[in-house]
Amino acid sequence: GIQVEQSPPDLILQEGANSTLRCNFSDSVNNLQWFHQNPWGQLINLFYIPSGTKQNGRLSATTVATERYSLLYISSSQTTDSGVYFCAVGDPRGGYQKVTFGTGTKLQVIP
Amino acid sequence: NAGVTQTPKFRILKIGQSMTLQCTQDMNHNYMYWYRQDPGMGLKLIYYSVGAGITDKGEVPNGYNVSRSTTEDFPLRLELAAPSQTSVYFCASSSPGRPLRTSGANVLTFGAGSRLTVL
Repeated sequence: GIQVEQSPPDLILQEGANSTLRCNFSDSVNNLQWFHQNPWGQLINLFYIPSGTKQNGRLSATTVATERYSLLYISSSQTTDSGVYFCAVGDPRGGYQKVTFGTGTKLQVIP
Repeated sequence: NAGVTQTPKFRILKIGQSMTLQCTQDMNHNYMYWYRQDPGMGLKLIYYSVGAGITDKGEVPNGYNVSRSTTEDFPLRLELAAPSQTSVYFCASSSPGRPLRTSGANVLTFGAGSRLTVL
């Protein structure tokens, strides 16, 4: 199946700093999503972004499907941004609805 | 709109027991998923379904069974529970929006999770 790797695996930021999280995938995708899992375990969708760039407040994401990667940018980080960030992609061999998650980036924002 | 509802939230099983995790969604989504998340790890796909009567294996299906008799419900059955099945289980659903590249309907909506411990 499709392989999804994220980097870095762990990240510690001072409040107010910016960061870039990366997601690499091994096959073409038509379905790519970014999620935030908060410290209580809840999974919240941030972006549906199989290609192009989107922005939502301090967060933005870019997917370059031809080069098989996606980036999540967090600007002016806040302690509430802490948690684990996952990208998830649709496997073309599952009709793109077989959604596989990446390894995750654990972010800790300290005051 | 309750979204995706999972029950139970917590359960402790003895080795060899069986149980069913329930998942219901009220958004009329065609696609439903079961994932497991081991401590400190990512989510692994167990089974998924693209509609009533249609299910398919994910990355880690062994030890589990599913059925999809209605659009709303997607129960996950654990037979002969083993300590290796200790995990948090998440159910999710989405809608087959078209075109796939641009439709936000394909966004996964998750339930709150079910924490299972097998002793």
